[in-house]
Parts: sequence; C-alpha cells; structure tokens
Amino acid sequence: GENVEQHPSTLSVQEGDSAVIKCTYSDSASNYFPWYKQELGKRPQLIIDIRSNVGEKKDQRIAVTLNKTAKHFSLHITETQPEDSAVYFCAASTGTASKLTFGTGTRLQVTL
Amino acid sequence: EPEVTQTPSHQVTQMGQEVILRCVPISNHLYFYWYRQILGQKVEFLVSFYNNEISEKSEIFDDQFSVERPDGSNFTLKIRSTKLEDSAMYFCASSEIYGVGEQYFGPGTRLTVT
Repeated sequence: GENVEQHPSTLSVQEGDSAVIKCTYSDSASNYFPWYKQELGKRPQLIIDIRSNVGEKKDQRIAVTLNKTAKHFSLHITETQPEDSAVYFCAASTGTASKLTFGTGTRLQVTL
Repeated sequence: EPEVTQTPSHQVTQMGQEVILRCVPISNHLYFYWYRQILGQKVEFLVSFYNNEISEKSEIFDDQFSVERPDGSNFTLKIRSTKLEDSAMYFCASSEIYGVGEQYFGPGTRLTVT
C-alpha cells in the first residue's frame, strides 16, 4: 500500500521567514495530494491540494509543488505569521481507492 | 459554510463496552469516511462508505468495528467491545466527489477507554 514520509518532524522559523515541508510517496498511482493544518485539539483543515496533472499551485502565502518523477511534493509558506503555528500533514490518494494516506506531520512553530 | 459535525466530543468508556460515535456529514456529500488519530501520531484511515456499503477498509477496521448510515443524515461508527488501544481521536470526513474530491473533516470524538 501507499506510504507517505514527511520531513522535518519539527520546524521553527522566525516570523516573516519561509517554511518548507517535504513529503515523499511510494505509490506511483497516487494522483491527489492535499495538505492539512491541524491546530491543537482541532480537526485537520484542508489548506491546499494539488492533482497530478499540475506541477505547482499557489494560494496567497501558501504554495505546493509536485514532482511526479521523484514522487515528492512540498508545501511552501512564505512570510510566516504566528497564526501559522500548527501541525501540518501531507497526504496522498490514488483517487480510485479514495482513502487518504497521511504523513507523520510537521510541527511548525513561528516565533516572534 | 457547511461543516461536518460529530457527537459526542468526548466519550469515556470501560474496556469491553460498546460505543457508537455519530457524525453528520455535509448534506450534499455522498462519500463518508472514518479516520482515527492516536495522541501525537498521524491520522490513519479506517473505512470509506458509499451508497450504503463499505468501499474500502484498513487492517485496523476488524470485526469489532462497523459503520452504518441509519437515516439520511447520520453516519455512525460502532466499536463492539472496546480495548485500551482503541483510545484515540476519531474523525469523520465526507466528500462530494469520489476519489479526488476534497475530504472535509469533522471536529472529532475523543474516545478514552479505561
């Protein structure tokens, strides 16, 4: 089955800096890659996603890139703010199966 | 904005007892899912459900687990005989489109088995 690895497990950046979180997946049939933000004790919230027919997608300060050949995708957050502090999970889906396979999460801390 | 809702928010039960976790998916969604998250760990898929039947289940979803859509709005997860290791946050999710549709998560039910 699909296996998603995520790095780093923790990331501390200063406010205004950029943050990058990387994920790799194993199943070449995966074609949908969402990113979720989870604040302490809250539900995972979809913040951005990318499908395999696209190499990059941007939404304001957040961008995701996908390299299908290398089977990795990354989340980029620019101009980080304290409210960006949370755990971020990447996930992959083969579409047909529909289930999401999650990475192990990255705890992002944005310091003042 | 429509949201997935779940009840209860926290359930404490004794080992061996049955629990039912309830979810109300977003009203026009057709695909429903249960995931669990053990404290401090990643979110794990349990089961997906469409057209009143299970589409897929993980190895976690053994004979102790069952799902049901008892009416047009609720989606339930039953654990027949809870074990200590069932303690986790259980999230319900729903999506409008099968496969590559965005999945929206409910707020979760924290299950504590003592």
